[in-house]
Amino acid sequence: GAGVSQSPSNKVTEKGKDVELRCDPISGHTALYWYRQSLGQGLEFLIYFQGNSAPDKSGLPSDRFSAERTGGSVSTLTIQRTQQEDSAVYLCASSSGTDYGQFFGPGTRLTVL
Amino acid sequence: AQSVAQPEDQVNVAEGNPLTVKCTYSVSGNPYLFWYVQYPNRGLQFLLKYITGDNLVKGSYGFEAEFNKSQTSFHLKKPSALVSDSALYFCAVRDMDTGRRALTFGSGTRLQVQP
Repeated sequence: GAGVSQSPSNKVTEKGKDVELRCDPISGHTALYWYRQSLGQGLEFLIYFQGNSAPDKSGLPSDRFSAERTGGSVSTLTIQRTQQEDSAVYLCASSSGTDYGQFFGPGTRLTVL
Repeated sequence: AQSVAQPEDQVNVAEGNPLTVKCTYSVSGNPYLFWYVQYPNRGLQFLLKYITGDNLVKGSYGFEAEFNKSQTSFHLKKPSALVSDSALYFCAVRDMDTGRRALTFGSGTRLQVQP
């Protein structure tokens, strides 16, 4: 596709449930990033994938959060045993190896009741 | 550690007037600097970036930003504001001297352009 796509656009879940958020990066982009935007806050880095290298997980807030990237393309962010403080917009971005700009998807708005 | 400060939560400007959205940064090495804009219920859109070279960078929609190394600033500017420029603006930095490619964002500045 022409841009980064994310699904679902909105997700409402109950506290304690697991959720999976999906990101399809721009075709050919080798780098993929996940960020979180909480209400009234800036963007918080979560995790970064670059090619076949080990991901940079330094931003994950707890071990309930994990992500994988299959085949160097699609990525899934999983949040286990969701808590109300996990409610946020989760943004995915991708970039090429030569372009320093990151291109963002529309985000998934997660609401934990 | 790297950080970004956007000192103004909101900037109000009349249509047709020049606008400035302020950003200062802190990195241990040399910075890559970015501005993004977020419209309601939309993802972030890339506006412009500074990597190296000229301190004045021109970007999308008539925006420009000036890199000032001595003041560690990267203020966003536009000569004549439009009502349609009203949105949330984020400044971001990446330290080019580390292997970490994730961006550190400021808290955002809401720009309100009045007709």
